[in-house]
Amino acid sequence: AQTVTQSQPEMSVQEAETVTLSCTYDTSESNYYLFWYKQPPSRQMILVIRQEAYKQQNATENRFSVNFQKAAKSFSLKISDSQLGDTAMYFCAFMNTGGGADGLTFGKGTHLIIQP
Amino acid sequence: NAGVTQTPKFQVLKTGQSMTLQCAQDMNHEYMSWYRQDPGMGLRLIHYSVGAGITDQGEVPNGYNVSRSTTEDFPLRLLSAAPSQTSVYFCASSYSGTTMNTEAFFGQGTRLTVV
Repeated sequence: AQTVTQSQPEMSVQEAETVTLSCTYDTSESNYYLFWYKQPPSRQMILVIRQEAYKQQNATENRFSVNFQKAAKSFSLKISDSQLGDTAMYFCAFMNTGGGADGLTFGKGTHLIIQP
Repeated sequence: NAGVTQTPKFQVLKTGQSMTLQCAQDMNHEYMSWYRQDPGMGLRLIHYSVGAGITDQGEVPNGYNVSRSTTEDFPLRLLSAAPSQTSVYFCASSYSGTTMNTEAFFGQGTRLTVV
C-alpha cells in the first residue's frame, strides 16, 4: 500500500510571497499519478494540479507549479504571487494506475494561511 | 450541469440509528467512491465502485455498506451509527479509477455528527 506524507501541518506567508508545500510518498509502483487538491472553508475539494509519474516535465497551472522528483518520491507544490484566496487546506494525493481502481490516497493536509 | 450531488449537507444522529447518505452524479462516470475526512487525517477511502453492480472496500470500510444499482447513484449506508463515525463524508466520481482522462469530481460533503 502507498502512503503520502505532508510534514507541514500549517504555514503562513504574506500576500504576494512565494510558498512551497512539501509532499513525499512511498510506493512500489512505477506508474501512478500525483495530485494537489485545495479545500477552502467552503469544504469543496478543488483540483489544483496533477502530474503523471512517467512525465519528467513538471506540471504548471498559472501560479501553481510542482517540483516532481521521482527518485526521491517527492512532489512539492509552489504557489507564486500568493493571494488571499489561496488560504485553504491543501492535500497531496496519490493514485495507482495499475492493478485496479483503488482510489486516491491522501496526505493529512497543510493549512495554508495568506496574510494581508 | 449538477456534477456530483450529495444529500444531506448536515446530519445529526443518535448512537444506534441508521441512515443513508445519498450521492448522485450526472456525468455518466463509471467510477464512484466514498471518503471520510477527519481532523488531522486527510481523506480516507471507505468504499468504491467501478461500475453498476460492482463495489469493493477501501481503507476504512467497517460500519458502512454500499450498493450500486445504477450508474448515477452510489448511496452509503450506516446501519448502526457510532460516535466514531462522526466525520465529513465526500462522494467522488470519475470516468475511470485508473486513468487520467478526467479528474475526480467531489460532492460538497456531508457533515455527520453521531451523539
